[in-house]
Amino acid sequence: GESVGLHLPTLSVQEGDNSIINCAYSNSASDYFIWYKQESGKGPQFIIDIRSNMDKRQGQRVTVLLNKTVKHLSLQIAATQPGDSAVYFCAENGNYGQNFVFGPGTRLSVLP
Amino acid sequence: DGGITQSPKYLFRKEGQNVTLSCEQNLNHDAMYWYRQDPGQGLRLIYYSQIVNDFQKGDIAEGYSVSREKKESFPLTVTSAQKNPTAFYLCATRAGGLFFGPGTRLTVL
Repeated sequence: GESVGLHLPTLSVQEGDNSIINCAYSNSASDYFIWYKQESGKGPQFIIDIRSNMDKRQGQRVTVLLNKTVKHLSLQIAATQPGDSAVYFCAENGNYGQNFVFGPGTRLSVLP
Repeated sequence: DGGITQSPKYLFRKEGQNVTLSCEQNLNHDAMYWYRQDPGQGLRLIYYSQIVNDFQKGDIAEGYSVSREKKESFPLTVTSAQKNPTAFYLCATRAGGLFFGPGTRLTVL
């Protein structure tokens, strides 16, 4: 069945370093992917998205890379800040594009 | 102030009672969704609605019901048939990607 998973459930990085959060997806029919950030007790916040016709997309301090060959998605955060501490989810739009499938999330902890 | 609002933020329910969670949006989005989140787990789809007066079951619809009488509103009722209702409930609208409300934390006493 469809599944979206993460290689690392937790990630600790030093403030100022770059962070890389990985995600594997299983549905080769997915053509739209999103990264979300969720702080404790809040709803997920849209960070960046990418469509399957692209390999890379950049935002402010964030970059998403898509490797369709191995069905892998990554989120890179440059110069990680304490405010980046949160749980990060990837999501794929799955079959028919009607719904999104979410992974369990990676908790990012930024160390001072 | 635009966006998605969910109320209440915290909700307590006794076993055997039905409870309704509110979700309102002023984004003029057609599609609305309800997800459930349990600690350490990803979001699971309960119900979704692509248009007014129409909705479909998601992966875990048992014990829940919804209505979509207005474009702006998509309330979720957690019935007594839901065996483990304590969770964080998230409403979302869709415009390309999903945009989430602040969530309602439901606790069954």
